[in-house]
Amino acid sequence: DAEITQSPRHKITETGRQVTLACHQTWNHNNMFWYRQDLGHGLRLIHYSYGVQDTNKGEVSDGYSVSRSNTEDLPLTLESAASSQTSVYFCASSESPGAYEQYFGPGTRLTVT
Amino acid sequence: KNQVEQSPQSLIILEGKNCTLQCNYTVSPFSNLRWYKQDTGRGPVSLTIMTFSENTKSNGRYTATLDADTKQSSLHITASQLSDSASYICVVSRLTGGGNKLTFGTGTQLKVEL
Repeated sequence: DAEITQSPRHKITETGRQVTLACHQTWNHNNMFWYRQDLGHGLRLIHYSYGVQDTNKGEVSDGYSVSRSNTEDLPLTLESAASSQTSVYFCASSESPGAYEQYFGPGTRLTVT
Repeated sequence: KNQVEQSPQSLIILEGKNCTLQCNYTVSPFSNLRWYKQDTGRGPVSLTIMTFSENTKSNGRYTATLDADTKQSSLHITASQLSDSASYICVVSRLTGGGNKLTFGTGTQLKVEL
């Protein structure tokens, strides 16, 4: 069955370190998204991609970057981790930009100390 | 400003009872409205998706309604079960030149007890 996976599921890192969160989907979807989820906030879009070599900034992109070298993967990099980036991160994918359905991964809980 | 507000913030009900969750939005231009269920430690899973022309949609014991005029939606859960304990998130989509842009509510945390 097609799925979307994230790794690691839990990560503790120190302030200032570079961290990369992995997202891999086997739906063969062109569109992939990264969100963060914090208490008191709905999921907020960090970055998204509509295809290989395409990346776009979301509403909370500062301090994050993504790259899309193939259809299946969209890694999220925190260039220099900050305590404000402690959060739960979700990756999602959809068939097309206009598609209604987004499929979410299980999430990565990141703690920056 | 595009916003989605949900109420109540949390709710506790007894197994077998019904409940209704509310969602008000100011997102424009409206494309569709979705309800997601998020179990603790998991990603959100879609329950229903409604477009402008749909005012009711069911998925098993879940029934969503949409009033596009008043910009309100509700999710009704019938004969609740312990497995319904989760966060229910209302998501409103607006169609832009760059595709569907989603605005998420903060969710209603539902706990079903014996």
